[in-house]
Amino acid sequence: GQNIDQPTEMTATEGAIVQINCTYQTSGFNGLFWYQQHAGEAPTFLSYNVLDGLEEKGRFSSFLSRSKGYSYLLLKELQMKDSASYLCAVRFGAGNMLTFGGGTRLMVKP
Amino acid sequence: SQTIHQWPATLVQPVGSPLSLECTVEGTSNPNLYWYRQAAGRGLQLLFYSVGIGQISSEVPQNLSASRPQDRQFILSSKKLLLSDSGFYLCAWTPPVRDRGDYGYTFGSGTRLTVV
Repeated sequence: GQNIDQPTEMTATEGAIVQINCTYQTSGFNGLFWYQQHAGEAPTFLSYNVLDGLEEKGRFSSFLSRSKGYSYLLLKELQMKDSASYLCAVRFGAGNMLTFGGGTRLMVKP
Repeated sequence: SQTIHQWPATLVQPVGSPLSLECTVEGTSNPNLYWYRQAAGRGLQLLFYSVGIGQISSEVPQNLSASRPQDRQFILSSKKLLLSDSGFYLCAWTPPVRDRGDYGYTFGSGTRLTVV
């Protein structure tokens, strides 16, 4: 199978930095996505990585190491509204389909 | 611009009743379409995907079915709902493979189904 692993829950303090890790099987890898999902809502796109390195978008950054089958999402200057689930998803092979990890529920505390 | 519509937003149905959820996409042609289910506090489980009219692939054997009667319409159905069918159902689309680029999924707003 194409397992994608990420921690189930994380807690962080407002204003701090948090890193959410994601590991996946490298065979057939063809792109990695991070989505944010607030409770009861649909996931929304955060970032896309297909080459090694760091992609930065404001307070959010995403890193990829293809050889290690590893990615992380870095959230800086945490705000209460960042409390949500963060989904790591990988595209394998030539198609468009994504395989999702179980999601990491992030709780930001004052 | 492209938009995706999914309805209804919430649904409460008795066990054994039928189900029909609809998803439509605007502003694009020949999209790849997907149905996912998300149980409470869990990840996304792929149910069906379609690369064209009448072309449906099923990922999980169950009492659900999907149809794509038009290019931009994707329907999820069941003849008899089970309690285990409760969950959050999400429709999503991507451009055709040849246009893929860095597009991931764009999701509909979801349907919260409770089977009682």
